[in-house]
Amino acid sequence: AQKITQTQPGMFVQEKEAVTLDCTYDTSDPSYGLFWYKQPSSGEMIFLIYQGSYDQQNATEGRYSLNFQKARKSANLVISASQLGDSAMYFCAMREGGGGFKTIFGAGTRLFVKA
Amino acid sequence: DTGVSQNPRHKITKRGQNVTFRCDPISEHNRLYWYRQTLGQGPEFLTYFQNEAQLEKSRLLSDRFSAERPKGSFSTLEIQRTEQGDSAMYLCASSLVGGGADTQYFGPGTRLTVL
Repeated sequence: AQKITQTQPGMFVQEKEAVTLDCTYDTSDPSYGLFWYKQPSSGEMIFLIYQGSYDQQNATEGRYSLNFQKARKSANLVISASQLGDSAMYFCAMREGGGGFKTIFGAGTRLFVKA
Repeated sequence: DTGVSQNPRHKITKRGQNVTFRCDPISEHNRLYWYRQTLGQGPEFLTYFQNEAQLEKSRLLSDRFSAERPKGSFSTLEIQRTEQGDSAMYLCASSLVGGGADTQYFGPGTRLTVL
């Protein structure tokens, strides 16, 4: 069965520093996709970055990068040069491939950026 | 380019009443998803549509819940005989299948409070 684990309920980072948010997953399907979403206090889920299981390189989107370690089944999000506006909940999610539709989410990590 | 919209944004109702929520997906997206999110948790999958066909329903979706997407565009989620346990944020997302990552883009959600 699919499972997503985020072990850090809360994280603090100093403004302009980098931070890594952990995510491990479990699936028996060789084809899957991994996603990270940001949820500010307003409630909207904002898509940040995607990594496919067959992608050879780690995904990057601006200040976001995904540290994909397939053998360890981890997909950590790295945010470089943190900004105050990065304070939010961050969710890791996975969708199994083969035309799969169901996406499961982790419990989230709340990031606090300190000035 | 408009994103996913949901109405209403907030709904307060008394136990036993029926409520209906609406979701308008991104116009060219053919998949539409409903999720429920309770405080401190990640979103939980409820159901999804490909065009007008409802292809999967979670076991979380009791028979008091019904969802429709009559013309393959907007969708409605109805909860009959609401219970206090139905209080949650109801999120809608849409995606374009065949677009590679099939990334789901979320609306702002409808927060339901059942008194």
